[in-house]
Amino acid sequence: DTAVSQTPKYLVTQMGNDKSIKCEQNLGHDTMYWYKQDSKKFLKIMFSYNNKELIINETVPNRFSPKSPDKAHLNLHINSLELGDSAVYFCASSLLARSSYNEQFFGPGTRLTVL
Amino acid sequence: GQQVMQIPQYQHVQEGEDFTTYCNSSTTLSNIQWYKQRPGGHPVFLIQLVKSGEVKKQKRLTFQFGEAKKNSSLHITATQTTDVGTYFCAGPFRDSNYQLIWGAGTKLIIKP
Repeated sequence: DTAVSQTPKYLVTQMGNDKSIKCEQNLGHDTMYWYKQDSKKFLKIMFSYNNKELIINETVPNRFSPKSPDKAHLNLHINSLELGDSAVYFCASSLLARSSYNEQFFGPGTRLTVL
Repeated sequence: GQQVMQIPQYQHVQEGEDFTTYCNSSTTLSNIQWYKQRPGGHPVFLIQLVKSGEVKKQKRLTFQFGEAKKNSSLHITATQTTDVGTYFCAGPFRDSNYQLIWGAGTKLIIKP
């Protein structure tokens, strides 16, 4: 029973293409995230999303868009892929709490390679 | 802007030696979390520290949160091959109760 799952695990595509990465969590969490991890392992938050609020990191190009069909899913759509988009993309989720802070659970990652 | 700095970037140790990574925040943090990412894997939560001066232990791992709640450390005693990976600290981003700001990570490498 995978808590946070992502598909595909690997994605190789040409520059200019449009692609999507899917994420599902079965933890009943309120909040989901997309992170980009570059070759130097730096984790950069791209989006945070819960039922009421989408927070977009201002450095994320508008070619990237999150889409959430329901609370358990947060997909990432990327338009007009560029070489610099090559990275590992992680989906994560956490339980939103007003008065405490909760750990984030990560998916296995999607390695995107743009040729 | 808010920053979380983590040093060193890499640490090479012989198996059995100790390892320490340090995390420093530009702002006071209400809490700090630590994660471990194995090579080829994903970040996995290790622990959360909340109180000023807090020290927590998990077997050979010791986590500390500074008195001013602006710095933290993770110390591993007598490293083993299973400890290999990248260790990240993360704290709340601004006043968010769910967004985190991450350190750059410290990669633990065991010398052959």
